[in-house]
Amino acid sequence: DTGVSQNPRHKITKRGQNVTFRCDPISEHNRLYWYRQTLGQGPEFLTYFQNEAQLEKSRLLSDRFSAERPKGSFSTLEIQRTEQGDSAMYLCASSFSGASGANVLTFGAGSRLTVL
Amino acid sequence: DQQVKQNSPSLSVQEGRISILNCDYTNSMFDYFLWYKKYPAEGPTFLISISSIKDKNEDGRFTVFLNKSAKHLSLHIVPSQPGDSAVYFCAAGYTGNQFYFGTGTSLTVIP
Repeated sequence: DTGVSQNPRHKITKRGQNVTFRCDPISEHNRLYWYRQTLGQGPEFLTYFQNEAQLEKSRLLSDRFSAERPKGSFSTLEIQRTEQGDSAMYLCASSFSGASGANVLTFGAGSRLTVL
Repeated sequence: DQQVKQNSPSLSVQEGRISILNCDYTNSMFDYFLWYKKYPAEGPTFLISISSIKDKNEDGRFTVFLNKSAKHLSLHIVPSQPGDSAVYFCAAGYTGNQFYFGTGTSLTVIP
């Protein structure tokens, strides 16, 4: 088990370009979360999946953001027409949600986006 | 609206002493609480959790206390070690759903 893997670790792009981040969760985990973190703030929830179903999306997730989790394994987060305000650390986390309900999130190292 | 608040952005303690990090939440429906530790350039690492049916949970040097009536939780680290220097986030949520995070407290343990 290699933990939660995120790629790329750092992406620098020009305003208006599209970017895509990938997250590979812990294989036994059925839930996958995306959070965004800016300087001096805690992680802000964006969206989460249970298997391949996207169960909740935050109001922070504008129309330019889309997340997918085909086949309930890895997930991608795409940002279209990037803006400077999108510069942040994008964190992926996974967890196992079972009968007991309670689930601890295991985070990846994050993908840092810098929009010039 | 910030549902989870950590009002102390930073805290410094001497090595060997107790570190107390505080967290307040607004939603009385939250039933599960987590503490994470974060080093620069790394993702948050899980430390300890507590469910709303308990008021204390202990794991080695780390103890989390929950006061449901005050909507307050705290993390105690005893004894504090220089390696504990990091940013600590508390998170609260509904079992099986997403978690809301505080803004973090940067702990510095002075040797």
